[in-house]
Amino acid sequence: DIQMTQSPSTLSASVGDRVTISCRASQSIAIWLAWYQQKPGKAPKLLIYEASTLEGGVPSRFSGGGSGTEFTLTISSLQPDDFATYYCQQYNSYSPFTFGGGTKVEIK
Amino acid sequence: QLQLQESGPGLVKPSETLSLTCAVSGGSITSSSSYWGWIRQPPGKGLEWIGSIYYTGNTYYKPSLTSRVTISVDTSRNNFSLKLSSVTAADTAVYYCARHRRGLSDPLHLWGQGTMVTVSS
Repeated sequence: DIQMTQSPSTLSASVGDRVTISCRASQSIAIWLAWYQQKPGKAPKLLIYEASTLEGGVPSRFSGGGSGTEFTLTISSLQPDDFATYYCQQYNSYSPFTFGGGTKVEIK
Repeated sequence: QLQLQESGPGLVKPSETLSLTCAVSGGSITSSSSYWGWIRQPPGKGLEWIGSIYYTGNTYYKPSLTSRVTISVDTSRNNFSLKLSSVTAADTAVYYCARHRRGLSDPLHLWGQGTMVTVSS
């Protein structure tokens, strides 16, 4: 299995801060990486796919980057609605698809 | 617009089989390139892909769950189902159904609300 490692596991930030979350794959996955946002009691929401392409309707303050084994999700100016848990997922190989452990973005 | 809704028992006894159905509304489960998946999330933990299916019945399972998982599709009812046998407490989780964005090797862009399943006697 391709292991996905996210850091940090928890991040404390304030509204307006620039926030960056990292995701590392145990082997190269090219650009086949997605980012999801999940709020308590809700299903995950797809934010970014192909490492850097924004899903329709996602605010432009979200951006993704990277390729190979190192990826980032950046929120340029954190908004109150952005406090949530974020997961990366590789879909380079469906045997199996794997997710990172999650990064919880908390209010500082 | 396309919507997914999971249904099934919220409590399953150890060693029994967990059975869930995902109803697809607002569109056809046989749409071209539509792959449908099951994902679960134990309380307070991360996400785990269980498996996916194409409307033709082609299935793809997480290797470590293959011996216990069956995913099937019912095109006449526009739904797909998950069966997980020989459950233990470790199978307690919120179970989500979802649609892959374009094809199997694509992220999950549409999700059901999830249903909590507890394994307990």
